Amino acid sequence: KAGVTQTPRYLIKTRGQQVTLSCSPISGHRSVSWYQQTPGQGLQFLFEYFSETQRNKGNFPGRFSGRQFSNSRSEMNVSTLELGDSALYLCASSQPPGQKNTEAFFGQGTRLTVV
Amino acid sequence: AQSVTQLDSHVSVSEGTPVLLRCNYSSSYSPSLFWYVQHPNKGLQLLLKYTSAATLVKGINGFEAEFKKSETSFHLTKPSAHMSDAAEYFCVVSESRQAGTALIFGKGTTLSVSS
Repeated sequence: KAGVTQTPRYLIKTRGQQVTLSCSPISGHRSVSWYQQTPGQGLQFLFEYFSETQRNKGNFPGRFSGRQFSNSRSEMNVSTLELGDSALYLCASSQPPGQKNTEAFFGQGTRLTVV
Repeated sequence: AQSVTQLDSHVSVSEGTPVLLRCNYSSSYSPSLFWYVQHPNKGLQLLLKYTSAATLVKGINGFEAEFKKSETSFHLTKPSAHMSDAAEYFCVVSESRQAGTALIFGKGTTLSVSS
């Protein structure tokens, strides 16, 4: 069974540009969550999607957005990139969703560098 | 809001000696708690989870953790450290929200193992 797949693994973008990251969950998992990991702030929750609907959102500006497709694959988009957006972005999938004791399976992440 | 505090940012042990990584949680009701491990340039892997079934939880690779409600603690232990245990460890609480859940991460503890 394939794990959570995130593409690309590495990205370098310029300030002001936008970026789209992709996440394919484990087959059969319908819940996808995104997290940002930085040395200063640690791991922070961005948002969670289930059945193509955003169910939860963390405390991030509107420049961060996401969506989920009917096959449960998810994308997150960051517009007007800032230097502080440089981070490792992790995607996690789980099933069943909505239960606090459900294990989340993480991908290897996308390392975004903004220059 | 729930939170977790990892009491040590860095722990150093010698191979073959015990490991203790400390975590305190803050929760107004029965929490779901997890320990995840992250090796360099890798995603997060679940070590173990507490879901109120038993206070002593056994995980992978010889790790275990004990849930102590009176002390609001969920410390991670291993009797004998191995070089391959060197990694970053995260204590995590799952927070139920209006719809769905979000994982709240501690700041992490870096474990170094010397020969």
